[in-house]
Amino acid sequence: EPEVTQTPSHQVTQMGQEVILRCVPISNHLYFYWYRQILGQKVEFLVSFYNNEISEKSEIFDDQFSVERPDGSNFTLKIRSTKLEDSAMYFCASSETPRGQRYTFGSGTRLTVV
Amino acid sequence: RKEVEQDPGPFNVPEGATVAFNCTYSNSASQSFFWYRQDCRKEPKLLMSVYSSGNEDGRFTAQLNRASQYISLLIRDSKLSDSATYLCVAAQGQNYGGATNKLIFGTGTLLAVQP
Repeated sequence: EPEVTQTPSHQVTQMGQEVILRCVPISNHLYFYWYRQILGQKVEFLVSFYNNEISEKSEIFDDQFSVERPDGSNFTLKIRSTKLEDSAMYFCASSETPRGQRYTFGSGTRLTVV
Repeated sequence: RKEVEQDPGPFNVPEGATVAFNCTYSNSASQSFFWYRQDCRKEPKLLMSVYSSGNEDGRFTAQLNRASQYISLLIRDSKLSDSATYLCVAAQGQNYGGATNKLIFGTGTLLAVQP
């Protein structure tokens, strides 16, 4: 079964540093997403991406965040200057259609900001 | 008010029991609904879609009531392997062009099936 691949599985970074989280969506999928889950809390939508541009972003997705699809296969989430409260599990997802039925989530990157 | 609200549990049930989870949503613009399962520190995985007509997948039955904005999941003959957090999810999005559906998750209901 096709998978969404995320790297690294765990990243520890110092406050104020930039991090890039990487995702390889399923190859024929056109819609890409980032979600995050702070420990013990619910999964929250960050951003959706289609046709090389952001379709929608949440209030969480402020100027510190950016997304990019640099080479047609990777989909990255960059956090420019990490804060302690950015510590969370970050899930990438992709879908073949814009509808929710066809989401596939990656296994996540656990980001720890110290 | 939370957009998708669930009882966090935990629900501790013996093997073989029937257990029911409920969920309410506040945004009537939500277009479609799902139950996801999440194991500890893992990604959410789609369990099943939820329809007004009700749908069944093996031991799992889901139901949507749009009038009361209420969603349910029934698990019959619980197995140890059913132990997980069950996430109620609503999809919202625009219906044009390349617009995407974002998923709005509830906080989840923890199920622990005991031997």
